Amino acid sequence: EAQVTQNPRYLITVTGKKLTVTCSQNMNHEYMSWYRQDPGLGLRQIYYSMNVEVTDKGDVPEGYKVSRKEKRNFPLILESPSPNQTSLYFCASSARRRTNTGELFFGEGSRLTVL
Amino acid sequence: QKEVEQDPGPLSVPEGAIVSLNCTYSNSAFQYFMWYRQYSRKGPELLMYTYSSGNKEDGRFTAQVDKSSKYISLFIRDSQPSDSATYLCAMRQTGANNLFFGTGTRLTVIP
Repeated sequence: EAQVTQNPRYLITVTGKKLTVTCSQNMNHEYMSWYRQDPGLGLRQIYYSMNVEVTDKGDVPEGYKVSRKEKRNFPLILESPSPNQTSLYFCASSARRRTNTGELFFGEGSRLTVL
Repeated sequence: QKEVEQDPGPLSVPEGAIVSLNCTYSNSAFQYFMWYRQYSRKGPELLMYTYSSGNKEDGRFTAQVDKSSKYISLFIRDSQPSDSATYLCAMRQTGANNLFFGTGTRLTVIP
């Protein structure tokens, strides 16, 4: 089954404790991206990657890091989480040739709470 | 001003009603327009997309784009309880990587 898998789905952590949210897709997609979704603000892009070893900042990259060492994986790293990073996070992927149609495939989300 | 504005609702309608969901935008360079549907505790799924102005129909769903007014709409005919979800509009410029989303409208269809 074609899917984007995120882990963990739910996480409660404390300020400053480094964490990683993993994302993996099995559709051989070149393009991958991370979004955060907050009430009243909608989905905002954090980072994206057009292919292996190619990453770029989105609208709200501060406090986050990413890496793309393999095509299928795109982990999101919070080096020193703060309470304002409490949010619902989505990983998404797309076949690059279809990027302009906006056909992003989303994971089921990771709800992060930073105390 | 946000790039994309969408009324968050919530919107409640009886089963069988026609639903109209709308977004406005400010960037005249947007060329690709999409509607995503997000069920509770799930990720968004692409429902429809259109390129530039015009209408597109898919079953009970019709997407309209009016670029002169910077206004897009999604119509749902004969709405069903299974249509209850949050609907997000999204749009992008040609060749750009970033997709701009509206905040989403939460719809409830009451049986």
